[in-house]
Amino acid sequence: DTAVSQTPKYLVTQMGNDKSIKCEQNLGHDTMYWYKQDSKKFLKIMFSYNNKELIINETVPNRFSPKSPDKAHLNLHINSLELGDSAVYFCASSLGTVNTEAFFGQGTRLTVV
Amino acid sequence: GNSVTQMEGPVTLSEEAFLTINCTYTATGYPSLFWYVQYPGEGLQLLLKATKADDKGSNKGFEATYRKETTSFHLEKGSVQVSDSAVYFCALNDYKLSFGAGTTVTVRA
Repeated sequence: DTAVSQTPKYLVTQMGNDKSIKCEQNLGHDTMYWYKQDSKKFLKIMFSYNNKELIINETVPNRFSPKSPDKAHLNLHINSLELGDSAVYFCASSLGTVNTEAFFGQGTRLTVV
Repeated sequence: GNSVTQMEGPVTLSEEAFLTINCTYTATGYPSLFWYVQYPGEGLQLLLKATKADDKGSNKGFEATYRKETTSFHLEKGSVQVSDSAVYFCALNDYKLSFGAGTTVTVRA
């Protein structure tokens, strides 16, 4: 059973399109995250939700909108995609927000052409 | 704010060589410290962790000790294998999980 699963694994789309990435965790965690990994492998947190409430919102363009319908799901919607959005997006979850490790999904490789 | 600095790569080693990846942190409180590993094409996996000063985390032959006096959490392995080729990330979490830049390690047979 996959602990943190995200779909799709690969996403190729044209500039200007709108796309969504879905994430689900079956670990019973109450905190979920979205991270962006660039081509140099640098990981940057984008958003964090705790019990469906947004608790971290880094300086991310407002074209990116997370949605958490329940504690087990955190989806990422991206409007008006740009070339610079090409990256690998990772969903993660943790039990609580302080001093805990996170469990990561396999990533979604987004390519904007 | 809190941050993590780890040595830049890439690092290339021969099998059975000793590996060390330096990691230092800046934090206002007492965060937990982690090493994550990312194998090619995969997500991040927790390799080891330490939650307080002088704790030693260990897993799969890797070790790291939480050193408060030097604000460090260096990763070491005594004898690497080709299968250890991956990107290694140092991270800390007090209220937010923050990562270092990652170190790419390649082990040659």
